Amino acid sequence: DQQVKQNSPSLSVQEGRISILNCDYTNSMFDYFLWYKKYPAEGPTFLISISSIKDKNEDGRFTVFLNKSAKHLSLHIVPSQPGDSAVYFCAAGWDNFNKFYFGSGTKLNVKP
Amino acid sequence: DTGVSQDPRHKITKRGQNVTFRCDPISEHNRLYWYRQTLGQGPEFLTYFQNEAQLEKSRLLSDRFSAERPKGSFSTLEIQRTEQGDSAMYLCASSLRGKETQYFGPGTRLLVL
Repeated sequence: DQQVKQNSPSLSVQEGRISILNCDYTNSMFDYFLWYKKYPAEGPTFLISISSIKDKNEDGRFTVFLNKSAKHLSLHIVPSQPGDSAVYFCAAGWDNFNKFYFGSGTKLNVKP
Repeated sequence: DTGVSQDPRHKITKRGQNVTFRCDPISEHNRLYWYRQTLGQGPEFLTYFQNEAQLEKSRLLSDRFSAERPKGSFSTLEIQRTEQGDSAMYLCASSLRGKETQYFGPGTRLLVL
């Protein structure tokens, strides 16, 4: 039961442009969402989160948008930098933070 | 703060053997999680501890898997009678209760031949 889906396995973007990574979920009871970034040979690193009571959260170049009616969230990276090249996972869970369901990841390649 | 560490980083074993992995969380973190990640997939939740208590286990965690966190500090994950399907990256994460951010270790990559 794949409760969190990332339908784009890969994305290629030019340096300086916007990267938009998408994530869909099926369980309307989720109330917390996170994005993680993963480099090869490392564990995932927390990037940004959003609670279901908000529809936007911003941290520097990273902004997460949540559309609860569509059960969709997206991560915007502006401007994209070559160092952003990594695999990005979205995750969803509840506000007790007992466990999170992860998507399958999107590999972002930012070209210089 | 040294972050979450896992040992070993790589393990190759033959089918039917037992393996044990260790995770050392960030020292003040009272929650510890185990995940499994296979190629092309995201991390899948296996189990989590709050201090020394194992509070939730996924149905993915068959009877061959056992996890412990005896003193609420480090944790071990043991797989008995390994199968080829157990080949995966095993990730450990820790967090503070009430905080959403889980800090992941580098993982232990298991290959069962």
